[in-house]
Amino acid sequence: DAGVTQSPTHLIKTRGQQVTLRCSPKSGHDTVSWYQQALGQGPQFIFQYYEEEERQRGNFPDRFSGHQFPNYSSELNVNALLLGDSALYLCASSFSGVFTGELFFGEGSRLTVL
Amino acid sequence: AQKITQTQPGMFVQEKEAVTLDCTYDTSDQSYGLFWYKQPSSGEMIFLIYQGSYDEQNATEGRYSLNFQKARKSANLVISASQLGDSAMYFCAMRVPGHGNQFYFGTGTSLTVIP
Repeated sequence: DAGVTQSPTHLIKTRGQQVTLRCSPKSGHDTVSWYQQALGQGPQFIFQYYEEEERQRGNFPDRFSGHQFPNYSSELNVNALLLGDSALYLCASSFSGVFTGELFFGEGSRLTVL
Repeated sequence: AQKITQTQPGMFVQEKEAVTLDCTYDTSDQSYGLFWYKQPSSGEMIFLIYQGSYDEQNATEGRYSLNFQKARKSANLVISASQLGDSAMYFCAMRVPGHGNQFYFGTGTSLTVIP
């Protein structure tokens, strides 16, 4: 049973560029959340997708956008990259029907903006 | 506001000893869930243990137990019989259904197990 998979694992971009990160949720999960983890910090909630729609959004600018596909996989897009966007981007999946269901995380995509 | 506070940036423990990682939380909601995650250097967040706000008994999962003190709003993680593989970052997190589905994370505690 595959867990949460993310790609790419590492990438380097320059300021002003755009990036797309991809995530496949754990089998049986229908909800995907994205978190940004800056160095030395805890993960910060970006947004959550359920039934192909953004269900909730954290305190991130519109440069951060996403998408969820019918197979529940998801993409995170960041436009006009800033140096401060350098971070580990974690995708987490869960099943909507269980409140106590913990988030299952992927290993993350480490983005460096130069 | 919902907030998780972890005041121990780093902790050291001797192999086979027990260690307690501190976590306090802040929410005015009565219904919430508390979680602990382990993050090794690979980056993946690994779920360890869950405690619901209405659970009367402390949660336990193998060598992990959660010392839940509701009145003090604390949810400390106790790791018994520490192993070298326990060396990692540990994050306390909270979910408050009245405030959506996001998890609120603390800043983490780096645990080093000494042989």
